[in-house]
This record gives sequence, C-alpha cells and structure tokens, in this order.
Amino acid sequence: DTGVSQDPRHKITKRGQNVTFRCDPISEHNRLYWYRQTLGQGPEFLTYFQNEAQLEKSRLLSDRFSAERPKGSFSTLEIQRTEQGDSAMYLCASSLAGVAYEQYFGPGTRLTVT
Amino acid sequence: AQSVTQLGSHVSVSEGALVLLRCNYSSSVPPYLFWYVQYPNQGLQLLLKYTTGATLVKGINGFEAEFKKSETSFHLTKPSAHMSDAAEYFCAVSERGNQGGKLIFGQGTELSVKP
Repeated sequence: DTGVSQDPRHKITKRGQNVTFRCDPISEHNRLYWYRQTLGQGPEFLTYFQNEAQLEKSRLLSDRFSAERPKGSFSTLEIQRTEQGDSAMYLCASSLAGVAYEQYFGPGTRLTVT
Repeated sequence: AQSVTQLGSHVSVSEGALVLLRCNYSSSVPPYLFWYVQYPNQGLQLLLKYTTGATLVKGINGFEAEFKKSETSFHLTKPSAHMSDAAEYFCAVSERGNQGGKLIFGQGTELSVKP
C-alpha cells in the first residue's frame, strides 16, 4: 500500500464547467476527509465519510459541491459550475476511526479555474 | 468556534540554530494537538501529536513539542536546524468529543534554513 492517492494532480478548467476529483484512501481506513487549501493558508475542512456515510459537511461547502463514497472505498468530489474562487488545492486524507488517529494525506489536486 | 493561531507566517534560521515555531489554540477544553509538515507539491505529513499523558511529545526528524495548558500553547522546537527542514509547518487541533476527528489548521509557518 503506497498511501493515499488523488487523481488528477492538476486540473485547469474554464469557469462554469464541472470537475470531478477522485481519492483512493489507504485500504484499511474507514474514514475519509476532504480539505481545501488556498495559497498561504492552512487546509480547511470540507467533509468527511465513515465508510460510505457522509457524516459531516462544512458550511463552506456550497450546494455546488458534492462528495460521494459509494462503496466505502474511494471517494469523489464534484464541483459544478466552477467559479474562480474555487481555485485551490483539494486534499484528501484517510484514517482509522477515532479522533486521535493520524490522518494520512494525499498529494492533493490543484484546481485552476480560468 | 475552535481556532488555531500560528505566530509568524515566515521564520528564518541558520543551519544548526534552534527552530521554534509557535502555536496557540483557543479552546478552554484542551483539544488533541498536531503538527504537520508540507514540502512543496506534496501532501501533509504528521510530525507529532499530543492526545494525553506526557506534555512533552517527541516526533520524527528530531522535532518535539510541549503542551502547556496554562498558555494554551503547543510550540514546535528542534535543537539544530538542517537544510532539509525547510518547508511549511501547520499546527492543527481536533476537538475532544468530536467523534469526527476533523482537523482545524492554523495558517501555517514557512521555515527557511540558511546555510
């Protein structure tokens, strides 16, 4: 197991287009998190799953954002009708269940909206 | 709401000098505390964490941090900086009792190491 992977690593899209990102967690991890990181800032929590259930969503997550984890393994994050303000690094992390377990981060998907 | 403050967005030290990166949290109930490091174009890697017990925590790459409840602080230190320590460092907290375990991050401190 080589850790958390994310695809694509980079995405350039035009304003108004839809984009979808994929995250593959460490196989035995039942929790999966999405964060967003803008330049010069720390990551901001977006949402998390335990197995296939989406248990918490941030108020930052507008209706244009949707995330799924259909079989409790990989997850997708879709942004509809992208805006320039969506340009950021989207980070995925996974962990075992429990508040103090380490979250392992993927390399991120950098989104640029032109 | 819980918040994390990292004093100094950029810290520069000479190779071999002490590294001190500051982190303060806002909660009256001590949260779980973490330090992560991020190298360019890479994801975050955990350096160390405090959950309970001994307040001085040792992590990877010679880093350590001390939890001080009275100061609501969790500063990161390393006795002797190495060129390879140059990176972005993030302090993060996870609220006790929040079963989700989501992390709340500070804004980060970029560490530069001069030869």
